Amino acid sequence: GESVGLHLPTLSVQEGDNSIINCAYSNSASDYFIWYKQESGKGPQFIIDIRSNMDKRQGQRVTVLLNKTVKHLSLQIAATQPGDSAVYFCAESPATGGGNKLTFGTGTQLKVEL
Amino acid sequence: DAGVTQSPTHLIKTRGQQVTLRCSPKSGHDTVSWYQQALGQGPQFIFQYYEEEERQRGNFPDRFSGHQFPNYSSELNVNALLLGDSALYLCASSLSLTGELFFGEGSRLTVL
Repeated sequence: GESVGLHLPTLSVQEGDNSIINCAYSNSASDYFIWYKQESGKGPQFIIDIRSNMDKRQGQRVTVLLNKTVKHLSLQIAATQPGDSAVYFCAESPATGGGNKLTFGTGTQLKVEL
Repeated sequence: DAGVTQSPTHLIKTRGQQVTLRCSPKSGHDTVSWYQQALGQGPQFIFQYYEEEERQRGNFPDRFSGHQFPNYSSELNVNALLLGDSALYLCASSLSLTGELFFGEGSRLTVL
C-alpha cells in the first residue's frame, strides 16, 4: 500500500549547525505535506506545510523542500538549537484541511549536541 | 483557550479487557480524528468523526469503535484488548473538514 518513509532514523548535529531531515513518499496523488515535531510525552506539533504546487516554503528557521519528480520531501532547520531535539515526522495527505487522513512516516530522532 | 484535551493520560489494562478513551476538541472545533502511535512509530489513522458520524476509517478491526457527542467531544473504545494495542492514542481536532489539525498530548495505554 501507499506509505511515507524516512531515510534516517537518528540524526545528530552540533548546536548552531543546520539540520536536514529527509522523507520519501510513494503516493503520487498526495497534494499536501506536513512536518511535525514530537517531543517526548507530547503530541505532534505542526512545524510547516507545503502544497504539491510548490517546491519550497520557508518559515522561521525552517524550510521545507518538495521534489515531486523523485517524491522526496526535506526539512531544513537553520542554526539548530537544543530545543529542536525531538522526533520529526513527515506526513502526507490527499488535500489540506483536518478532514483529510494523514499518513505519517516512522520519524527521525534529531539529537542536538552541545 | 484550551487546546485538545485527552483523558486519561495513562492507563494500564490486561488482555481481554475493554477501554474507553476520551477527547475534548479545541474550542470551536467540530471534527475529531483518532490516531494510534506504537512506540517508535509514526501515528496511524484510526477513524474520524464529523457531525456525530464516522466519516473515514483506517485499517483497524471492528474492536476499535468510537462516538462523537453533540458537544463534539469524542470517545474511542477498544474491546478485547491485545498486547499489540499498547500505544499512545492521539486525538486531533479541526474546525470543519478544512481547518488546521491540532493534536492532543495523547493517552498512553499499556496492555499487560
